[in-house]
Amino acid sequence: QKEVEQNSGPLSVPEGAIASLNCTYSDRGSQSFFWYRQYSGKSPELIMSIYSNGDKEDGRFTAQLNKASQYVSLLIRDSQPSDSATYLCAVRNNAGNMLTFGGGTRLMVKP
Amino acid sequence: GAGVSQSPRYKVAKRGQDVALRCDPISGHVSLFWYQQALGQGPEFLTYFQNEAQLDKSGLPSDRFFAERPEGSVSTLKIQRTQQEDSAVYLCASSFGVAKNIQYFGAGTRLSVL
Repeated sequence: QKEVEQNSGPLSVPEGAIASLNCTYSDRGSQSFFWYRQYSGKSPELIMSIYSNGDKEDGRFTAQLNKASQYVSLLIRDSQPSDSATYLCAVRNNAGNMLTFGGGTRLMVKP
Repeated sequence: GAGVSQSPRYKVAKRGQDVALRCDPISGHVSLFWYQQALGQGPEFLTYFQNEAQLDKSGLPSDRFFAERPEGSVSTLKIQRTQQEDSAVYLCASSFGVAKNIQYFGAGTRLSVL
């Protein structure tokens, strides 16, 4: 079992819909969680960080964390074609240095 | 600089050649990380520096991989006697500190070993 799991997709949603991306992790002691967006051939770009249980909203993006269930999600409201990319879930280990990434979920937003 | 800079962007090597990949982190960033990203996969951790000290090299896949950051700024990842399985994108990231600090990624070096 991988330490950070994501559905590889592709997840296809129509323009204007809500896209829901999910991630589970195995290290119960993990404290910091991140969502990165990666366009094809480009570097990962931070979308959201979350450290506490609950929801964190930033514009059209909401990150949700449930440490008891070891589950992190990212909601994208009013999805746009420009949101089409691979979304990487990343978890920082207890030592506070490296990130462990999931395999990424490819999102396709269709006009 | 404005962001993390990596060079070269693309590198083609014949199997058995040595390669050196350079990373120039954001100015003032203490922590520097190297990741390897295979096609269709998420990045995987290779090694971590805090200033010039290499604090974690647990992700380096073999002793052919070597990284250094002698003056606590620019870092070089060296791969000796490259193999086809080394073909991947090598990403460098830097952060201001460690705890809860965001890692900012460079554009990566795409290495193709023929």
